[in-house]
Amino acid sequence: DADVTQTPRNRITKTGKRIMLECSQTKGHDRMYWYRQDPGLGLRLIYYSFDVKDINKGEISDGYSVSRQAQAKFSLSLESAIPNQTALYFCATSDAHSTDTQYFGPGTRLTVL
Amino acid sequence: QKEVEQDPGPLSVPEGAIVSLNCTYSNSAFQYFMWYRQYSRKGPELLMYTYSSGNKEDGRFTAQVDKSSKYISLFIRDSQPSDSATYLCAMGRNRDDKIIFGKGTRLHILP
Repeated sequence: DADVTQTPRNRITKTGKRIMLECSQTKGHDRMYWYRQDPGLGLRLIYYSFDVKDINKGEISDGYSVSRQAQAKFSLSLESAIPNQTALYFCATSDAHSTDTQYFGPGTRLTVL
Repeated sequence: QKEVEQDPGPLSVPEGAIVSLNCTYSNSAFQYFMWYRQYSRKGPELLMYTYSSGNKEDGRFTAQVDKSSKYISLFIRDSQPSDSATYLCAMGRNRDDKIIFGKGTRLHILP
């Protein structure tokens, strides 16, 4: 089984809908991250969490919120989806002593119509 | 000036050639330098990791860091079609800080 899983893998939704993307990990890592990837823009950090009680905004947090339900679970919500949030979303984890070695999930392809 | 600059390519080279991938950066506080490889429809995976300046070799891959020029490189020797992927450089100030990714270079190795 994969160490970092994301659900759903693909999602098509309409403008204004609330969407939740979920991430689970079995690596036992404390640190978790949400990124979005867009052609020509690379990977950009949305939110990150160094432990269950620690949540930090990344480079592009507007329009997103997160919840760290447990050490192993970190979900990303789009409260009211808009078309420019159409992107590939990745969850990643790293252990408590580093941010440099990150383990990525398979990604969620989100399309907002 | 963006913190990390990386040419998006695509870069096409024949099988067996030496490939050179590069990134420049502006923040002199960066100490950790990484190269991630991303195959199509997959998440990135760590390929090489270097702390501070110098070279690091792992099989056909060599990572090079020149902090005085704020320039990092990844060399791939004897390139194979299986090396076709997007390569993202990444860097950070310390192990408690978030890392910054380059935009990635798409590499095609032609059989």
